[in-house]
This record gives sequence, C-alpha cells and structure tokens, in this order.
Amino acid sequence: GNSVTQMEGPVTLSEEAFLTINCTYTATGYPSLFWYVQYPGEGLQLLLKATKADDKGSNKGFEATYRKETTSFHLEKGSVQVSDSAVYFCALSVNNAGNMLTFGGGTRLMVKP
Amino acid sequence: NAGVTQTPKFRILKIGQSMTLQCTQDMNHNYMYWYRQDPGMGLKLIYYSVGAGITDKGEVPNGYNVSRSTTEDFPLRLELAAPSQTSVYFCASGEEVTGELFFGEGSRLTVL
Repeated sequence: GNSVTQMEGPVTLSEEAFLTINCTYTATGYPSLFWYVQYPGEGLQLLLKATKADDKGSNKGFEATYRKETTSFHLEKGSVQVSDSAVYFCALSVNNAGNMLTFGGGTRLMVKP
Repeated sequence: NAGVTQTPKFRILKIGQSMTLQCTQDMNHNYMYWYRQDPGMGLKLIYYSVGAGITDKGEVPNGYNVSRSTTEDFPLRLELAAPSQTSVYFCASGEEVTGELFFGEGSRLTVL
C-alpha cells in the first residue's frame, strides 16, 4: 500500500535558521508528491507539489525535490520566520480515481523570534 | 471567497447520539472528501465522492455515512457516536486536473 513517513516534531528553530523536514514515502506506481501547511485554527492549504522524479516544487521560500532513488521529498527553507510556525504535512497521490491523498503524520514547526 | 465551508466548528456528543457534519463548496469541484485527523496520526480518508450521486469508502468508513445529492454539498453522518470518533474532521474539495485539494477549517467533535 501507500504510506508517508515524516520526522516527528515539534521542530523548534530561531528566526532566520535553516529548516529541513524529512519526508519519505512508499507507493505503488508513480506518485505525485505534496506539502500542505496548516496554520493555527485553519484548514490545510497546498504549499508546493512535484509530479515526477527530479522535479522541484517551490513556494514562499520553501523548496522540495522529488527524489525517486531515495523515495524522499524533504522540505527546506533557507531562513524561517515566526510566521512560518505551523504544522506541515507531506502527502502523495497515485494515479487513481478521485485524486485521493495519503498523508504523513504532520510535523509541527515553532519559530522563535 | 468562501471556498469550503464546514459546520459546526465544535460539537460535543454523548455516546449513541447521531449528528451530521455539513460541508459545502462553491468552486464547482467534482471531487469531495472527508478526512479525520487524530493527534500525531495525520489525516485518514473516511469517504470521498467523484461527482453528484457517486460516493465511495476510504480507509476508515466504519460508523459513518455520506451522500452527494448536489455538486456543492457533501454531508457526513454519524449514526451512533462512539468515543473512538472523537477527532477533528476536515472536508475538502479538489480539481481533477491539478490534484490540489482545498480544505475547510475543520470540525472538532468530542464523544463522551
């Protein structure tokens, strides 16, 4: 079956620090990969995505590269801000009817000023 | 800019009670989903729909029912509430081409 594994949080960083949140996956077929972010009191929203191997998704200073050889999609940001404090979810979708997503457990990021 | 709207935001139920979580979207998406989020467990798919009149089970459908009579609405029904259904429930809708899902703000349900 399909599964996504993320590093457990919380991750606590000082402002302007470098961020990495690890994500690895197992999937039948060739998945599309996503990072969603959930700010306090809100629903999830798409942060970035990649649909094939070696693609790099990027948005708001965040990046993730689809690595087929290591089945990974790690999220990175060079300089985090307090406003980046949120829960981050890695997810995958395999070509299926309904575009269903399989989510990781989420990683809480706390950025201190 | 309503997007996906869920009601209620919070609800406390007694064991054995029934309730319906409402979900409506105004983006004309064919795909709609119900997920539950348990602490540290990510989101698990309960039911989904690929269009009006069509629904199917996800990973954890037991204890729930859904209907999809219109494109806009996708209510989730709990018939006999159990403590194991204490969770945060998210409704989402999606585009067929991009695969992106749009989520509501969530409904926190506690069963005592």
